[in-house]
Amino acid sequence: KQEVTQIPAALSVPEGENLVLNCSFTDSAIYNLQWFRQDPGKGLTSLLLIQSSQREQTSGRLNASLDKSSGRSTLYIAASQPGDSATYLCAVEDNQGGKLIFGQGTELSVKP
Amino acid sequence: DTGVSQNPRHKITKRGQNVTFRCDPISEHNRLYWYRQTLGQGPEFLTYFQNEAQLEKSRLLSDRFSAERPKGSFSTLEIQRTEQGDSAMYLCASSLGGRGNTEAFFGQGTRLTVV
Repeated sequence: KQEVTQIPAALSVPEGENLVLNCSFTDSAIYNLQWFRQDPGKGLTSLLLIQSSQREQTSGRLNASLDKSSGRSTLYIAASQPGDSATYLCAVEDNQGGKLIFGQGTELSVKP
Repeated sequence: DTGVSQNPRHKITKRGQNVTFRCDPISEHNRLYWYRQTLGQGPEFLTYFQNEAQLEKSRLLSDRFSAERPKGSFSTLEIQRTEQGDSAMYLCASSLGGRGNTEAFFGQGTRLTVV
């Protein structure tokens, strides 16, 4: 059974810092991995999708990497801003039918 | 297209009542998913549709829950005889379908509170 874990559960940093969020999964037979952002009480906003054949994806200040063999992904946020404060979720698309299996999220707070 | 739309955004109901939620996916998307999220947790898969066919249901989906997607367009999720443990955010997502390389887009969710 696929399990997804995110570390740390919460993170507080001063504005301007670069930071890394971690995601690990137990079964390397995934089709893709997706990072999402969730603001309090809201739905999920897709940030980056990494296909199983890819090693990384970049969008603006965000860079996500994927190492399938070790079951790990990282989300790198450069020059963090208070507006980046949110919960970040990673999810893997399972190899059985396309549903996403989520980690518990990392709650990020960027202080001005 | 404005993305995935869910209605209502909030629902407060008394224990034992039935509730129904609606999801309108992105128009060209074949796949539609329902997830449930409780406070401090990641979303958990409930069920999904490929067009009008319901292809998978989680064991979390008890017999009090039923989902439909008539004509492969919008979907409804009904909970009968609600219990306090049903209180959660119910999220709908859609994707183009096929396996492996399609991005899922989520709606804003329906927050259910059972009192």
